[in-house]
Amino acid sequence: DAGITQSPRHKVTETGTPVTLRCHQTENHRYMYWYRQDPGHGLRLIHYSYGVKDTDKGEVSDGYSVSRSKTEDFLLTLESATSSQTSVYFCAIRVTANTEAFFGQGTRLTVV
Amino acid sequence: QKEVEQDPGPLSVPEGAIVSLNCTYSNSAFQYFMWYRQYSRKGPELLMYTYSSGNKEDGRFTAQVDKSSKYISLFIRDSQPSDSATYLCAMSPSGREKLTFGTGTRLTIIP
Repeated sequence: DAGITQSPRHKVTETGTPVTLRCHQTENHRYMYWYRQDPGHGLRLIHYSYGVKDTDKGEVSDGYSVSRSKTEDFLLTLESATSSQTSVYFCAIRVTANTEAFFGQGTRLTVV
Repeated sequence: QKEVEQDPGPLSVPEGAIVSLNCTYSNSAFQYFMWYRQYSRKGPELLMYTYSSGNKEDGRFTAQVDKSSKYISLFIRDSQPSDSATYLCAMSPSGREKLTFGTGTRLTIIP
């Protein structure tokens, strides 16, 4: 798992509540990513980070925000969860911008 | 039209067969190509990573990239039931660009 830990692994939450997912890495790599995976859509990039306090939006960023105050932690926040955000969320790291990505085990989020 | 197209399958083949998985893409700037394997309820794990065109072999797995046709392939020889998984292709241009994924092909190897 390349030293990547996602928490929680499973979560059920109610519509309208805020939710924060955490990605922790032990290797101090600069590049971190949050993806969501849905049937028929594959993996889609939500937000990414190239270092502490250096983040940018991906293709499906609406309704999500991120923070990276430490190299090892990348937080994904759903400001007000909606049923359309029910998905499996994956964190990934890259050693450099041109290398392969390594993924965490995923967080299964259900919004009811 | 998606930047990366991948047949979702499902694909079922008998044990020992050669499996061919493919992706096509439209962005000629892609230079880095990856194949991931994903077991049910697990995160994707990297199988193969190639740069630009050509072939790369690793055990029973061979990755091919044909940039002129914008087509990449993953071949699995002597397929095993443990190869049953979803296979995702991914690619990116150089620099700080993000990875773009195919939707994945679900493969089942029948004993």
